[in-house]
Amino acid sequence: EDQVTQSPEALRLQEGESSSLNCSYTVSGLRGLFWYRQDPGKGPEFLFTLYSAGEEKEKERLKATLTKKESFLHITAPKPEDSATYLCAVQGYSSASKIIFGSGTRLSIRP
Amino acid sequence: GAVVSQHPSRVICKSGTSVKIECRSLDFQATTMFWYRQFPKQSLMLMATSNEGSKATYEQGVEKDKFLINHASLTLSTLTVTSAHPEDSSFYICSAHHQGGGAHEQFFGPGTRLTVL
Repeated sequence: EDQVTQSPEALRLQEGESSSLNCSYTVSGLRGLFWYRQDPGKGPEFLFTLYSAGEEKEKERLKATLTKKESFLHITAPKPEDSATYLCAVQGYSSASKIIFGSGTRLSIRP
Repeated sequence: GAVVSQHPSRVICKSGTSVKIECRSLDFQATTMFWYRQFPKQSLMLMATSNEGSKATYEQGVEKDKFLINHASLTLSTLTVTSAHPEDSSFYICSAHHQGGGAHEQFFGPGTRLTVL
């Protein structure tokens, strides 16, 4: 059964303090791993898709990396506006178009 | 980028009434859309997969007669919560499947907050 586990559950950082969020996954044939950002009361906003181990993608202060067992979302010099819940999700070849979400990491950046 | 809209964004209704939520893909065609439910501080729970022109596929434990899904066109799916009760109060989010590269990325609507009195 496909599974996604995210850690930590919550993370509080000072503005400018870099850190990483972890996403561990098990899937029978990875078609893609996705990162989303979700603000309170809103739908998830698409950030990245990673397809294979060793791949990296960047967007502003965020960089996502992928290995065969986990993905990291690195946030460099975060700002208060980066505060949100970050969701990791995977899609396997056996699941058609369905994606399985992790429980998310609530990130809070203090000014 | 791919844009998905939902309407209404917020609805309050009396117990026993039915509520319809619309999900539209604005700049792409979506043969598949998904409906999720989210409780406070929890992740998204997939309710059903909506396929254009065919019956929806419901996840285990989701009542088909309670949550009616219709995917009438390549840009519109609707979720009707029938005879709503207070326990149906939740945040409902739809997504549309947009194939990019080798993975089937999903783009999400802004969500609908349903409150049943």
